Amino acid sequence: GENVEQHPSTLSVQEGDSAVIKCTYSDSASNYFPWYKQELGKGPQLIIDIRSNVGEKKDQRIAVTLNKTAKHFSLHITETQPEDSAVYFCAAAGLGGSYIPTFGRGTSLIVHP
Amino acid sequence: SQTIHQWPATLVQPVGSPLSLECTVEGTSNPNLYWYRQAAGRGLQLLFYSVGIGQISSEVPQNLSASRPQDRQFILSSKKLLLSDSGFYLCAWSGGLQETQYFGPGTRLLVL
Repeated sequence: GENVEQHPSTLSVQEGDSAVIKCTYSDSASNYFPWYKQELGKGPQLIIDIRSNVGEKKDQRIAVTLNKTAKHFSLHITETQPEDSAVYFCAAAGLGGSYIPTFGRGTSLIVHP
Repeated sequence: SQTIHQWPATLVQPVGSPLSLECTVEGTSNPNLYWYRQAAGRGLQLLFYSVGIGQISSEVPQNLSASRPQDRQFILSSKKLLLSDSGFYLCAWSGGLQETQYFGPGTRLLVL
C-alpha cells in the first residue's frame, strides 16, 4: 500500500517568513495530493490540492509543488501570519470509486508574532 | 452546498459503557463515508469506510463497529468502551467519483 512521510513534524517561524512542508510517497500510481489545515479542536479543512498532470498550483499565499519522478510534493506558505498556526496534513491517493487517501503524520506550524 | 454534521461534539463515558456517534451529510447523494480516529499526536487513523447503504469496510480490528442505515448517515458504535478508545473521532465524506475528502467538526471522546 501507499506510505506517506511528512517533514518536519514541527515548524516554528516568525510572522512574515515563509514555511515549507515536505511529503514523500511510495506508490507511483498515486495521482492526487491534497493538503489539509487543522485548527485546534476542529476537523481538517482542505486548503489546496494538486493532480499529477500539474507540477505547481498556487492560491494566494499558498502553493503546492509536485515532483512525480522523485515522488515528493511540498506545501509553501509565504508571508506567514499568526492565523496560519495549525497542524497541516498532506495526503496521497489514486483515482477510484472508493478513494481512500493515505495521510502524513502532520506538521505543527507555529507562527510567532 | 454540502454540509457534514457530527454529534455529540464532546462525550465523557465510563469504561465498559456503550457508544454511539452519529454523522450525517447534507447536500449530496450516495457519498462515500469514512470514520477516522485521531489520538494525541495528530495522526489520522482510518477506522471504517462505506461506499453505500449497509456496506462497511473495516481497516483496523478493534472494539468499534460502524453502520450505515441510510444513504447519508454513518454511525460509529461500541458495546463496551475501553480507555484506549479515547480520542478525537472524525467523520468524512467524498463523492463517488471524486477524490477529495471533506471532514466534519469531530467528536472528542474521553473514556474514564
